Parts: sequence; C-alpha cells; structure tokens
Amino acid sequence: DIQMTQSPSTLSAFVGDRVTITCRASQSISSWLAWYQQKPGKAPNLLIYKASSLESGVPSRFSGSGSGTEFTLTISSLQPDDFATYYCQHYDSYPLSFGGGTKVQIK
Amino acid sequence: EVQLVESGGGLVQPGGSLRLSCAASGFTFSDHYMDWVRQAPGKGLEWVGRTRDKANGYTTKYAASVTGRFTISRDDSKNSLYLQMNSLKIEDTAVYYCARGGAQPYYQYAMDVWGQGTTVTVSS
Repeated sequence: DIQMTQSPSTLSAFVGDRVTITCRASQSISSWLAWYQQKPGKAPNLLIYKASSLESGVPSRFSGSGSGTEFTLTISSLQPDDFATYYCQHYDSYPLSFGGGTKVQIK
Repeated sequence: EVQLVESGGGLVQPGGSLRLSCAASGFTFSDHYMDWVRQAPGKGLEWVGRTRDKANGYTTKYAASVTGRFTISRDDSKNSLYLQMNSLKIEDTAVYYCARGGAQPYYQYAMDVWGQGTTVTVSS
C-alpha cells in the first residue's frame, strides 16, 4: 500500500504570505495526485488534480507541482478564506489514500 | 446543479448494522465511479471503498479496515449509491461522505464532487 506523508502538520502564516505544503508518497505515483481543502464542518473541496491541474472555479493563487514521490501545493498570496486544512490524496492504485492533513492557521 | 446527498446515519451499537445511501443528481450517475470516504472525529480523511461503473462490471474495492464488513453497491436506475455496514466497531464512528470519481475515458480521476456527509456513531 502507498503511504502519503504531508508536512508540516500545522502552519501559521499571515494574510498575503506565500505558503507551501509538501506531500510525499512512499513509492512513485506518477502524477496521480490530488489536493483538497476542507473547512470545519464541511466536505472536502477539490483544488488540484493530476498533480498540477487546477480544478474549475478554484482561484489561480493555488498551484500544484511535482511527480513521482514528491509534490507541493503552493498558495501564492494567502487570503482570509484560505485558512483551512489541506489534504493530498493519491489515486495511482488501490487502496487509495490521503495524507494526514496540514492545518493552515492565522499568525 | 451537480449534487450528492447522503442519508442513513445514526447511532448503532457495536456489532450492529447500518445502511447509508447517497442520492445523486445533476450528472449522469451511471457513467461514474463512486467512492465512500470517512472522517473520524478530529481526524483526517480515510478512503473506505469504491464501486466502478457498469462498463467495468460494477466491481468494488475496499480499504483493509472495512473489507469483509462493508459492502458498496449502486442502483443506476435510482441514481443512488449505498454502503452496507455490518459488524460495526467503535472505531467506525465517523462522518461518511460519498464522492464522485472519474468517468470514461478518464476513470483515473480525483474525487471532484462530495456530499455533505452523514454521521455514524457506534456506541453502547
């Protein structure tokens, strides 16, 4: 089974900061990686698919990169609406799995 | 509007059973793989399982933690997805989400539509 490891688990930042979250896969997953945003009490929302493709309707300040085993989610200028928890997820093979999450907090 | 609405959650004793439903609307349900994902209180997301579409024989895949206890099914005529949960354990307590997967030819796709979730509590 493929394990997904996110870092950091918690991140404190100011509005306007550039934020980067890292996700590592225990083996190569090519580009079969998605990023989701989740706010308290709400369902996850797809941000990025296939490692770097922006989902329709998602602001362009979100971007994804990487392939193989190392991936990053970058928020170019953090906005108040972006304070949330972010998860990576691979869909290379079964079982699918998620990273442990990164909570982005206000500094 | 593309929408998924879960129902059927509730309180159940350990060892009991529960059946969750997910009603889909606004898209061609029969074309898509469909997933169940759960989230225990204060924890991260855990993939539960998937059903493929008719073209792929409605085959299913499960996480190891639920294999042999949970069964995913679908009724394309009713645009509905189901999760039959048997032999429930305290650690199955979670919010359960249904989510839309890929469709032909892009079966290998992320979960792009999610329901609001339904809460399952396993407790004596």
